[in-house]
Amino acid sequence: DAKTTQPPSMDCAEGRAANLPCNHSTISGNEYVYWYRQIHSQGPQYIIHGLKNNETNEMASLIITEDRKSSTLILPHATLRDTAVYYCIVRVAINRDDKIIFGKGTRLHILP
Amino acid sequence: KAGVTQTPRYLIKTRGQQVTLSCSPISGHRSVSWYQQTPGQGLQFLFEYFSETQRNKGNFPGRFSGRQFSNSRSEMNVSTLELGDSALYLCASSSAGELFIDTQYFGPGTRLTVL
Repeated sequence: DAKTTQPPSMDCAEGRAANLPCNHSTISGNEYVYWYRQIHSQGPQYIIHGLKNNETNEMASLIITEDRKSSTLILPHATLRDTAVYYCIVRVAINRDDKIIFGKGTRLHILP
Repeated sequence: KAGVTQTPRYLIKTRGQQVTLSCSPISGHRSVSWYQQTPGQGLQFLFEYFSETQRNKGNFPGRFSGRQFSNSRSEMNVSTLELGDSALYLCASSSAGELFIDTQYFGPGTRLTVL
């Protein structure tokens, strides 16, 4: 079973910041938080990941709470092309068990 | 670097047939994982190959099998196809090693329709 909980859907106005929450209250100390997104019928696209510090790349920012029980993915200036299902996943950092367990994700609608 | 490629992109088969799907990982990546995505079950892990060995397996029947070649390219095979096997099959590669994992990058998928 997925170890994360996400809202099933969210709306965001184009040009505004989209903040997608994720709860992972049972996360272990050696587990990373990963975010992927999937645009309709395409393969999931890697966005960002982090362990405990906040992370930023050209696509998004990841804010992880101090207790690591939740995180927020921020798309700073959402565009229509950001409409997708966003998956929050936890993965063990050092493990031969190289698989991803996906939950239902959050369907993000960007409104023009 | 070129991304993960999967062939064919679309496939139509009939019940009882078998099918082979192919995946070419990102250059230098030694781990290849396969996933099945259906509207009802979402994205589910099938198996992972590393250095030509199956290292991890999900909860799928033995009709689903795979292999990996010395150049890290991978194939998955489904025998005796059932209607419920209609799905998007995704391949992901990573530079995971013996004792660590790394980010998985996904291909565009193969859309299999079983009639």
